[in-house]
Amino acid sequence: DTGVSQDPRHKITKRGQNVTFRCDPISEHNRLYWYRQTLGQGPEFLTYFQNEAQLEKSRLLSDRFSAERPKGSFSTLEIQRTEQGDSAMYLCASSTGANEKLFFGSGTQLSVL
Amino acid sequence: DAKTTQPTSMDCAEGRAANLPCNHSTISGNEYVYWYRQIHSQGPQYIIHGLKNNETNEMASLIITEDRKSSTLILPHATLRDTAVYYCIVSAAGGVGSYQLTFGKGTKLSVIP
Repeated sequence: DTGVSQDPRHKITKRGQNVTFRCDPISEHNRLYWYRQTLGQGPEFLTYFQNEAQLEKSRLLSDRFSAERPKGSFSTLEIQRTEQGDSAMYLCASSTGANEKLFFGSGTQLSVL
Repeated sequence: DAKTTQPTSMDCAEGRAANLPCNHSTISGNEYVYWYRQIHSQGPQYIIHGLKNNETNEMASLIITEDRKSSTLILPHATLRDTAVYYCIVSAAGGVGSYQLTFGKGTKLSVIP
């Protein structure tokens, strides 16, 4: 079962460091999404790609955050100068776009010390 | 500004039907009702979605009231593995902003042995 894969599963970093997460979507899915989830809350939308084009960014995505999907396949989410408030689960999802049935990965848990 | 209202938590005896309600009184004509669930430490998992008619798949049934202001997700024979947070979401599939699924806090379903 080749579902959505995220790497790493866990990341611990010190405040001020840069971190990068990777997402490999289901191969035939042209839409890719990043969400963020903090403890006790539902996931919050961050950004969305259709193929390699980043079509929407939430205002939650400050200028310290950047996402790419260079060849329309895997995607990376980078956070520069991490802050303690960035501690969260970062979830990636993909879809064909036909009916917004999203397939989520298991997420990357970020802890900023 | 949540578009859906769900109970915070519910219990269900193992083997019995779990009926999870959701109110979406401001739903628009082109908005679908989606249900996802999230088991601890995993990403959300799609369950089912519908527009007007009741829907059934291998996981669950979705009953939507005639006025579409509320719906119920039914897990016919709950097992311990169904213990999870269940999210009810309304979204205009394929429409502007449809990629932004807005998750609330969901209902924490506990299946009791």
